[in-house]
Amino acid sequence: ETGVTQSPTHLIKTRGQQVTLRCSSQSGHNTVSWYQQALGQGPQFIFQYYREEENGRGNFPPRFSGLQFPNYSSELNVNALELDDSALYLCASSLGGQANTEAFFGQGTRLTVV
Amino acid sequence: AQSVTQLDSQVPVFEEAPVELRCNYSSSVSVYLFWYVQYPNQGLQLLLKYLSGSTLVKGINGFEAEFNKSQTSFHLRKPSVHISDTAEYFCAVSHRGPARQLTFGSGTQLTVLP
Repeated sequence: ETGVTQSPTHLIKTRGQQVTLRCSSQSGHNTVSWYQQALGQGPQFIFQYYREEENGRGNFPPRFSGLQFPNYSSELNVNALELDDSALYLCASSLGGQANTEAFFGQGTRLTVV
Repeated sequence: AQSVTQLDSQVPVFEEAPVELRCNYSSSVSVYLFWYVQYPNQGLQLLLKYLSGSTLVKGINGFEAEFNKSQTSFHLRKPSVHISDTAEYFCAVSHRGPARQLTFGSGTQLTVLP
């Protein structure tokens, strides 16, 4: 067990709605990264948070936003949901500042937009 | 920018046979290289990683990979597969540095046949 937990595990939303996904990082980890994995594809990097600050962002529109809290847990918020946002959203935690650390992934949240 | 190409989307192989899953990458800077495995309805688990040093890297579950800088490849191998190895395998790269932002390939579905 990696210690990274995500909630909820499954979610169905209607186009145009907003959604919040949550991630609790592994104990001692201060960095959280979010990835979107569409069906049949590899994960794509959305953004990363390090000590509560955004520390890099992939090619996703501003309606994808995030937060990291003092306990290093994190939220991913998506506004104005589109059908193409249907995917598995993965959270990964790691110990930032050290190049050779491993990123541990949670089991993901399956989001379906109808 | 960096990219990863996994040359085979599906690889069927009989139990106890050897297998090689191919991965090529492109990057303008030096990178770290990873292989992850994803079982159905689960997150990603790290199999092995190349950071520096010996180009032959051994990982969990009997897998190994060889980094070839001249061919920009990082192929994954196992001398004898088991039914339980059936899963999706992802090759990934990240630039060197503490901010571990992974770029993934599109994945290879390994199916081990009895």
